[in-house]
Amino acid sequence: AQTVTQSQPEMSVQEAETVTLSCTYDTSENNYYLFWYKQPPSRQMILVIRQEAYKQQNATENRFSVNFQKAAKSFSLKISDSQLGDTAMYFCAFMKVGGTSYGKLTFGQGTILTVHP
Amino acid sequence: DAGVIQSPRHEVTEMGQEVTLRCKPISGHNSLFWYRQTMMRGLELLIYFNNNVPIDDSGMPEDRFSAKMPNASFSTLKIQPSEPRDSAVYFCASSSWFGYTFGSGTRLTVV
Repeated sequence: AQTVTQSQPEMSVQEAETVTLSCTYDTSENNYYLFWYKQPPSRQMILVIRQEAYKQQNATENRFSVNFQKAAKSFSLKISDSQLGDTAMYFCAFMKVGGTSYGKLTFGQGTILTVHP
Repeated sequence: DAGVIQSPRHEVTEMGQEVTLRCKPISGHNSLFWYRQTMMRGLELLIYFNNNVPIDDSGMPEDRFSAKMPNASFSTLKIQPSEPRDSAVYFCASSSWFGYTFGSGTRLTVV
């Protein structure tokens, strides 16, 4: 079974600054996806970024980038130029590729990020 | 595309009553998932379907919970009888090889 751990229950950052959210995971699988989801107060789950485990290059989406360390089973999210709209709960998630459980997401506990003006 | 549509958005019911949550997945998505979010347990998968067939229901907490997917465009999650500890946000999500989309969730309160 896979586990995902987010060790930072809460984080805060000043507007325009950079913040990094941490995530570690445990799996015996070699082929998988990792995700960061954002959940604002509206409770909608919004995909922020996705990383395929077979890709060595770290994924980037505008102000959002990840530091994927496969050997260390670490997957951190960096948010640059933080904006007030980034205030939300952020979830790290794991998805195994293939097999009967393909598509199932295993989530971390979440990190509440507050961006201060 | 309207995305994954869940109804109702909010539901308040009395303990012992039957509750039915509804989900319309994105057309063309062949997998559908029901997740539950609580403060204590976070986000956890309850059940998922592939091509309308239940594949894994090991996350369904008790026999009081049941889920159906009679066709590719509709799924229900039923709780009978409901209990206060079932209070949570219930998410439906659908996926295909190119994407995974969540609905807006149903906030269930059992009093």
